[in-house]
Amino acid sequence: DTGVSQDPRHKITKRGQNVTFRCDPISEHNRLYWYRQTLGQGPEFLTYFQNEAQLEKSRLLSDRFSAERPKGSFSTLEIQRTEQGDSAMYLCASSFETGITIYFGEGSWLTVV
Amino acid sequence: GNSVTQMEGPVTLSEEAFLTINCTYTATGYPSLFWYVQYPGEGLQLLLKATKADDKGSNKGFEATYRKETTSFHLEKGSVQVSDSAVYFCALSDEGGGADGLTFGKGTHLIIQP
Repeated sequence: DTGVSQDPRHKITKRGQNVTFRCDPISEHNRLYWYRQTLGQGPEFLTYFQNEAQLEKSRLLSDRFSAERPKGSFSTLEIQRTEQGDSAMYLCASSFETGITIYFGEGSWLTVV
Repeated sequence: GNSVTQMEGPVTLSEEAFLTINCTYTATGYPSLFWYVQYPGEGLQLLLKATKADDKGSNKGFEATYRKETTSFHLEKGSVQVSDSAVYFCALSDEGGGADGLTFGKGTHLIIQP
């Protein structure tokens, strides 16, 4: 088990383009989370899956953002029509349903130019 | 709602100095408390945790005690090393694991000088 993995680690895109990030959680973890972290701030919750069901979404998750976890394993986070304010690190994390400890991936850096 | 407040950084110390990073929280019920560490350009690594009042979490020489009476979870280390330089985040989760995961403080940047 190699932990939570995210891809790509870095992405530079032009404003208005779409980007997609992938997250592979720790195997057998049925909860998967997405967070966003901007420079100098702590991570902020975006959304959460239990298996394939998306159970919670933050108001930070505008309609340009969509997350999926189609088979209850890996997840994707897509940002459409990117804006400069979307520049941040997008962190994926996972945990057991009954566990309190959440394990984070290395993060995916997005720079919108 | 839940919130976490950490001391502002950066905190600059000399090697072998004693470290304290203050953390206080606001939450209903009995949250679990965590310290995460983030090295430059990387994601978050769990450093230690405590799940109930008076529990002490410890790892790699770091310690923190869950103090419900003062709603605090201060991070301490007796003798810091240059390799401890990183950003430290205090966080909480609702009892039983809240659906929105963790609530984080803003982080404290620790700089250890040789």
